Amino acid sequence: DGGITQSPKYLFRKEGQNVTLSCEQNLNHDAMYWYRQDPGQGLRLIYYSQIVNDFQKGDIAEGYSVSREKKESFPLTVTSAQKNPTAFYLCASSISDYRGTEAFFGQGTRLTVV
Amino acid sequence: DAKTTQPNSMESNEEEPVHLPCNHSTISGTDYIHWYRQLPSQGPEYVIHGLTSNVNNRMASLAIAEDRKSSTLILHRATLRDAAVYYCILCGATNKLIFGTGTLLAVQP
Repeated sequence: DGGITQSPKYLFRKEGQNVTLSCEQNLNHDAMYWYRQDPGQGLRLIYYSQIVNDFQKGDIAEGYSVSREKKESFPLTVTSAQKNPTAFYLCASSISDYRGTEAFFGQGTRLTVV
Repeated sequence: DAKTTQPNSMESNEEEPVHLPCNHSTISGTDYIHWYRQLPSQGPEYVIHGLTSNVNNRMASLAIAEDRKSSTLILHRATLRDAAVYYCILCGATNKLIFGTGTLLAVQP
């Protein structure tokens, strides 16, 4: 079955440690996205990539980094520079111009930093 | 990116139709109107999208005003499984889905 997979579902880390969240898709989509969601809030765009080896900052990129070495994968690293990393992180993918079609979302990774 | 305005919350009774409004007065001519919904602790799920004409699919209908400055998502018969946060989003030339806070729909049995 085609889809988008995020792992792990729950992640705990100590303050000051970098952590990498995985996002893989087998939908042959060119575009991939990372969002952050805080309790009771909507999704905020962190980074997005329209093609392999290229990505752009979203609205809240500070303290995060990404790579896009393969079409299928778009990992997100939450660095120690991110002041409030505890949140629900969502990955999405779509064809490159999805104005006229749908984006697919993963089930999310809930990161807790203690 | 153009923004949307939605009510924070709405209530409906099971088996009744639900009309979820969205205002997008700054929409540009090439912006598509997308609707997604999100259940607790899950990723958003696509519902429907449109450009100018009204649209129907198995989940819902989308009614778009003639001037495109507003739209309405219509759930024809609400069920308990439709209780979710519904997001109205404009998708334009930047190809980014920018989410607002959405409408929390409660469905009463």
